[in-house]
Amino acid sequence: DTGVSQNPRHKITKRGQNVTFRCDPISEHNRLYWYRQTLGQGPEFLTYFQNEAQLEKSRLLSDRFSAERPKGSFSTLEIQRTEQGDSAMYLCASLNRALSGANVLTFGAGSRLTVL
Amino acid sequence: DAKTTQPTSMDCAEGRAANLPCNHSTISGNEYVYWYRQIHSQGPQYIIHGLKNNETNEMASLIITEDRKSSTLILPHATLRDTAVYYCIANNDYKLSFGAGTTVTVRA
Repeated sequence: DTGVSQNPRHKITKRGQNVTFRCDPISEHNRLYWYRQTLGQGPEFLTYFQNEAQLEKSRLLSDRFSAERPKGSFSTLEIQRTEQGDSAMYLCASLNRALSGANVLTFGAGSRLTVL
Repeated sequence: DAKTTQPTSMDCAEGRAANLPCNHSTISGNEYVYWYRQIHSQGPQYIIHGLKNNETNEMASLIITEDRKSSTLILPHATLRDTAVYYCIANNDYKLSFGAGTTVTVRA
């Protein structure tokens, strides 16, 4: 178990292109979260999954954003028709609340998106 | 989440204890206090959490006042590697909401 893995670590794209980020959580963790972080700000919640079910989406998650966790294991976050305002660090975190009894999230290193 | 208030920044000397305050005066009875930190260009890292009692682990100690309206994170012997943004969160929800945190700079 090497923790939460995110790929790619860095992505530079042109405005209007689609990008996809992947997150591999800790294997026994049933909850998976996506956050977005812009420079100088704390991470902002985007969405979360309990196993394969997406249980909540933030207002920040516009219709250009879609997240999936098809088999309750890895997750993908896709951004369609990227805009310069999408430039940010996208963070994934996982949790097994049954084990910890509290919100002790393990975060990945993040995927940094730059939209030109 | 209950609103938390933290200083924007603070400095501390290497080898000395770093005491990071957090105010959460509207915390409810079932909300935990969590501390995370984020070293530059990395994801946030869990440090410690508590409900009512003081807590200690290998990284830090958490002191929660009796009325639970404030807490202090103590890094007993700060090192240069402790330079980071420290986030205090009061929460009993399925997701954590991060504020701007305290930027802690440990100086040699």
